[in-house]
Amino acid sequence: DQQVKQNSPSLSVQEGRISILNCDYTNSMFDYFLWYKKYPAEGPTFLISISSIKDKNEDGRFTVFLNKSAKHLSLHIVPSQPGDSAVYFCAARLVTSGTYKYIFGTGTRLKVLA
Amino acid sequence: DAEITQSPRHKITETGRQVTLACHQTWNHNNMFWYRQDLGHGLRLIHYSYGVQDTNKGEVSDGYSVSRSNTEDLPLTLESAASSQTSVYFCASSESRRQKETQYFGPGTRLLVL
Repeated sequence: DQQVKQNSPSLSVQEGRISILNCDYTNSMFDYFLWYKKYPAEGPTFLISISSIKDKNEDGRFTVFLNKSAKHLSLHIVPSQPGDSAVYFCAARLVTSGTYKYIFGTGTRLKVLA
Repeated sequence: DAEITQSPRHKITETGRQVTLACHQTWNHNNMFWYRQDLGHGLRLIHYSYGVQDTNKGEVSDGYSVSRSNTEDLPLTLESAASSQTSVYFCASSESRRQKETQYFGPGTRLLVL
């Protein structure tokens, strides 16, 4: 049972245009959401996050939107740059009985074309 | 600079052998995690630890064990390696359970079980 889903395994975008990566989740108890970026042969690196009590968080070219009623999360990259080409994972945090863990999506491979 | 390292980066072993993957962080973080990454599954949590002498099972813990004897290290042991454990393994650490805590990932260990 995949609680966090990234239904698009890959996405290609022209340099300078907007990249929109999507993530859907099923568990309404998630309280915190994060996006990670991963280059080949490296570990994921944190990109941006959002609390479940907010609907938008912006950091430079990166904006994350949260639609709780639709259980949908999206990452917008504007403008897209070739260096943004990577695999992007969304993750959701679940806190239960004082412990917490992160559930990751399967990833979306973004290719920004020069 | 603080960092998180994993060794070895690549490992080939045979079915039935015991294998230990090392993870060392100099962030002085309390929390440490082990994930495996497989196609179609994203990152899945194997074990995690909130501090010295504390260990907890994640969603795919069968066949794996960890121990936490100090703050810096969380070795992952495969008791009797199986071909299904061929994967890329990532270690991560984080500071606390605060709202904005994020995980810092190591570069990964690619394990092949023949």
